[in-house]
Amino acid sequence: DIQMTQSPSSLSASVGDRVTITCQASQDIMNYLSWYQQKPGKAPKLLIYDASKLEIGVPSRFSGSRSGTLFTFLISSLQPEDIATYYCQQYERLPSFGGGTKVEIK
Amino acid sequence: QVHLVQSGAELKKPGASVKVSCKASGSNFTTYYVHWVRQAPGQGLEWMGLINPSGGGTSYAQKFQDRVTMTSNTSTTTLYLELTNLSSEDTAVYYCAGALRYPDVCDVWGQGTLVTVSS
Repeated sequence: DIQMTQSPSSLSASVGDRVTITCQASQDIMNYLSWYQQKPGKAPKLLIYDASKLEIGVPSRFSGSRSGTLFTFLISSLQPEDIATYYCQQYERLPSFGGGTKVEIK
Repeated sequence: QVHLVQSGAELKKPGASVKVSCKASGSNFTTYYVHWVRQAPGQGLEWMGLINPSGGGTSYAQKFQDRVTMTSNTSTTTLYLELTNLSSEDTAVYYCAGALRYPDVCDVWGQGTLVTVSS
């Protein structure tokens, strides 16, 4: 099984801050990685797929990138509505999720 | 526009089985895979498996291999998740999710079904 190590598990940042979340894959997954946003009591929402492709309708302050087996998710300017938990998911093999990152406002 | 509407909350006793449904509407039912993902209270997302409604082919996470069955009914455009031999560790919200454009990218989600396992 492919393990996804996501960090940090939580973070606190101010409105307007740049926020970075990483996911380390246990083996090469090429670009087969997506990022989801989940707000309390709601289903996850797809933000990015294929490591860096922005889902239609998702604000451009969200982005993703890859360097080898390390994937980075960036919020360029944190907004109050971005308070949520974010998950990475690999789909090179049978899908698996990272542990999640809870983003809060400082 | 695809919509997935799931069945209501369930309360089950340990050792029992549960069957959760996911009604799909809005697009050709057999053209996309459907995944099932669960989330225990306060925990992260856990992928359980997927079904291809066109033909009924499935892939399950090894953890659930012995206890899970995913099926589809093309006439009613409904997907089903059955989980047997429940324990308290199966208490979770269960989501169905459609992968409309790519087989493993879930871009449409159901609202979730809470399954509580308690004696």
